[in-house]
Amino acid sequence: EDQVTQSPEALRLQEGESSSLNCSYTVSGLRGLFWYRQDPGKGPEFLFTLYSAGEEKEKERLKATLTKKESFLHITAPKPEDSATYLCAVRDNDYKLSFGAGTTVTVRA
Amino acid sequence: GAGVSQSPRYKVAKRGQDVALRCDPISGHVSLFWYQQALGQGPEFLTYFQNEAQLDKSGLPSDRFFAERPEGSVSTLKIQRTQQEDSAVYLCASNSLNEQFFGPGTRLTVL
Repeated sequence: EDQVTQSPEALRLQEGESSSLNCSYTVSGLRGLFWYRQDPGKGPEFLFTLYSAGEEKEKERLKATLTKKESFLHITAPKPEDSATYLCAVRDNDYKLSFGAGTTVTVRA
Repeated sequence: GAGVSQSPRYKVAKRGQDVALRCDPISGHVSLFWYQQALGQGPEFLTYFQNEAQLDKSGLPSDRFFAERPEGSVSTLKIQRTQQEDSAVYLCASNSLNEQFFGPGTRLTVL
């Protein structure tokens, strides 16, 4: 059974203070690692998909990286609007996503 | 609208009542998913449709949960004889290539 563990559970940052979120996974055959952002009262919003170790993707202040056992989401010089819960998910077949519990990021001005 | 829509957004039910939650996927999306998200947790897979065919219902917690998509577009998740442990946010998603687009969810509270 796929397992996804995210750490830390919560992260409080000062505006401009860069940090990283971790997603450790166990999956029989990875067919994609996904990062989503979820704001309170809303559904998850797609950020990135990574497929193979060494792959990196960037979007504004976010950068996602992938190794064979974990993925990192780096937040560079965060702003208050980056406050959200960040979810990691893995897919081991054609469709089903298995999610971690998320990391709740709070960025103070 | 262009996104996945769900209704109602909030539902309060008395224990033992039946509820029906609706999902309107993005037009043209073949694949549709239902997830259950408990407070402070990530979404948990419930079931998957490809067009009108329910290909995987392995995540449905009990036989009180039933999902359908009779014409391959709108889907309904029905929960019979609701219990307090059914309280959660129910998310619907539809798929395009490798990206799942989620709706805003229905928050179900069972009293």
